[in-house]
Amino acid sequence: ILNVEQSPQSLHVQEGDSTNFTCSFPSSNFYALHWYRWETAKSPEALFVMTLNGDEKKKGQISATLNTKEGYSYLYIKGSQPEDSATYLCALGGKLIFGQGTELSVKP
Amino acid sequence: DGGITQSPKYLFRKEGQNVTLSCEQNLNHDAMYWYRQDPGQGLRLIYYSQIVNDFQKGDIAEGYSVSREKKESFPLTVTSAQKNPTAFYLCASAGTGSYRYTFGSGTRLTVV
Repeated sequence: ILNVEQSPQSLHVQEGDSTNFTCSFPSSNFYALHWYRWETAKSPEALFVMTLNGDEKKKGQISATLNTKEGYSYLYIKGSQPEDSATYLCALGGKLIFGQGTELSVKP
Repeated sequence: DGGITQSPKYLFRKEGQNVTLSCEQNLNHDAMYWYRQDPGQGLRLIYYSQIVNDFQKGDIAEGYSVSREKKESFPLTVTSAQKNPTAFYLCASAGTGSYRYTFGSGTRLTVV
């Protein structure tokens, strides 16, 4: 079983704080790394797909980096807002194997 | 609009009964996937299919069965052999060679 680990499991921050999460995965046979944002009662929303070592992607205040040689990816949120509260999932493609997610709660 | 439809949103069944969860997509995607989520855990892969009439077991296939008779449909049957069927079930699809996955909105199954 391919193991994808995310940390921390949950995070509680104040509005305006910057935060980051980690996704660790086996570095062999790497195909792609996905980040999703998942709000309760909604479908997961794709944030990034990264395929190349050293990839850096940005979408608004959210950015992600990828290191395929050492098997990790970081997701950063700069200046968190209450609407950023969600579960953030990373997943290894192509069968899309997910980590357990990081639940972010941003208090106003 | 194209997308994935999972129905119903909530499902209740008595212990010992088989139950089938529906997943339909009109995106012309070749690959379809079923995941299960339990409280405090991530999404775990149950079964996936990359082409019609073919499917493979995921990490937690025991107690489940699937079929892929049509490209658009990938129903999941939760059998009485599944020891802990109460969970949230999510379906996804993707085009061949695509990095883009589309998700349904899920079915919450409660077995009493």
